[in-house]
This record gives sequence, structure tokens and C-alpha cells, in this order.
Amino acid sequence: EDKVVQSPLSLVVHEGDTVTLNCSYEVTNFRSLLWYKQEKKAPTFLFMLTSSGIEKKSGRLSSILDKKELSSILNITATQTGDSAIYLCAVGAGGSYIPTFGRGTSLIVHP
Amino acid sequence: NAGVTQTPKFQVLKTGQSMTLQCAQDMNHNSMYWYRQDPGMGLRLIYYSASEGTTDKGEVPNGYNVSRLNKREFSLRLESAAPSQTSVYFCASSLYPPGRREKLFFGSGTQLSVL
Repeated sequence: EDKVVQSPLSLVVHEGDTVTLNCSYEVTNFRSLLWYKQEKKAPTFLFMLTSSGIEKKSGRLSSILDKKELSSILNITATQTGDSAIYLCAVGAGGSYIPTFGRGTSLIVHP
Repeated sequence: NAGVTQTPKFQVLKTGQSMTLQCAQDMNHNSMYWYRQDPGMGLRLIYYSASEGTTDKGEVPNGYNVSRLNKREFSLRLESAAPSQTSVYFCASSLYPPGRREKLFFGSGTQLSVL
């Protein structure tokens, strides 16, 4: 059974802090790892990492895939209150490659 | 700019009642999915449709049925609702079938309570 584990489950920081969110996986036939941000409603896509694209960056957010350690980190620098959300990690693998989601990390950024 | 549209946004049912959650996408996507999200549990796949005319079970299909009405629409039916089906339901779509490393586009969710 495919398994995706995120840590920590929750995190409270102050504006300006840097945070690192973790995602580890145990899957068969890894295909891709995706990060989503979920505010009040629908998850929105952040990054996709694959064997051929192990590092992505967009503004203050960046993500790296460690194929050896079967994990990924999502870094957010100079956090803002607008970064408060649940961050979801999903891994596409197995026969169907449909993403399996982790439980998410709830990030709260205080002013 | 509609993307993926779900109706209704909120619903309260009594145990044993039935209802259908509707989902439509206007992005000409081929694949559609139904997930449920429970507190602390992440998103779990209920059913998916890789292409028009096909449907397959996901991780938690028991108690649900689906219909891929056409390329745009994918509905989820609860025949006899149970309190364990209280959850937030998300519909999602992707351009290509699973296996093409496609990101999913999500609807805004339906919050369902079964009393």
C-alpha cells in the first residue's frame, strides 16, 4: 500500500520566519510528487517534482525532491500571513499513478 | 474562468437519505476524480474516471456510486447516507489520464453533514 507522510502536522510561526515542511513516501513505481496549498476551499497547485525535475522555485517558495531519501521538502522564506494554509503533498505512483495524498501540514503565520 | 464547479456547497442529510453531488468542468479535461477530506486525514480517493465512459474505484468507494454523464460532468451519489460519510467532498479534473504526471484542478468542495 502506498504511503505518504507529512511532518509536522501543524506549525505556528511569526511573519518573517522561514519554514520547512517535509513529505516522505513509500510507494511502488514513483512517478511524481506534487505540492498543493489549501486555504479555505480548493487545493491549488504549487509544484510538481519528478525524476527529471527535482528542484522547483517560485518566489519565496521552493521545493526539492530527494530520490535517495524518498522525501521532499517545501521551504517558505520570509513568511507572510497569507501563507497560512494547509500544505498537501501527493505522490503519483503504482499502476494508476493517481496521486495519493498525505494528511497535510497546517501552517499558521502570526503577524 | 469557472474551472471545476461543484454543487451544492453545503448539504445536511438524515441517515438513510440519498443525494447526488454534481461536478462539471469547462477545461475540456479527460479525467475526473472524487475525493473526500476528513479532519487530519488528507484527501482520499473515492472514484475516478480516466476518460468519458469509464469509471474505477479508488481507496474508499464503499457507500458511493458515480456516473460520468459526459466529458464535462461527473456525479457522486450516496444511496443511503450514513454519519460516517460526513465529510468535505472535492471533485477534481486533469487533462490527461493518470500516468501522464498531470496536476489536478480542484473544485471548491461540498460540505456534507449526515445526522
